[in-house]
Amino acid sequence: DGGITQSPKYLFRKEGQNVTLSCEQNLNHDAMYWYRQDPGQGLRLIYYSQIVNDFQKGDIAEGYSVSREKKESFPLTVTSAQKNPTAFYLCASNPRQNYGYTFGSGTRLTVV
Amino acid sequence: DAKTTQPPSMDCAEGRAANLPCNHSTISGNEYVYWYRQIHSQGPQYIIHGLKNNETNEMASLIITEDRKSSTLILPHATLRDTAVYYCIVSPPAIYNQGGKLIFGQGTELSVKP
Repeated sequence: DGGITQSPKYLFRKEGQNVTLSCEQNLNHDAMYWYRQDPGQGLRLIYYSQIVNDFQKGDIAEGYSVSREKKESFPLTVTSAQKNPTAFYLCASNPRQNYGYTFGSGTRLTVV
Repeated sequence: DAKTTQPPSMDCAEGRAANLPCNHSTISGNEYVYWYRQIHSQGPQYIIHGLKNNETNEMASLIITEDRKSSTLILPHATLRDTAVYYCIVSPPAIYNQGGKLIFGQGTELSVKP
């Protein structure tokens, strides 16, 4: 079945370390997104990519970086510059039309 | 900021219809109404979307008022598994929306009770 795979499901990081979250989709969707969700809050956009080798900052991009070398993959790196990285991270994709977005199951990152 | 207003919480008896309201009084002509739900600790799940006509699929029905300033999501026979946070989002088609990003509000926490 087609879908989005995020890994790992849970991730622990020491302060000062960079960590990369994986997002892979086999839906042949052009656009991919990274959102962050804090407890009791809605989703906030970190980065998005509409096409391979191109991406734009969302509303809270500081302390994060991404790459889009393949259509299927959109990894997110949480750098040491991100002051409060503990959160639930969600990856999504859509075919750039007015269809519903498909979300992955999320990665819960905890800084210890 | 989100362009929608939803009640923070609602209860529904199992087997009954759940009617979730959403106000979007500033909706623009090319903006669609989308509904998603998020079960605890999972990614949001797309439910349905519409522009101005009522829509129905295997999951739910979407009723949009004639002036498009509000809508209602209807789960016809709610089950315990429908307990989740339901988000109403207005957004233009991705091709017109820089990056096609969705702006999520706080949503409605629906509790389906036995």
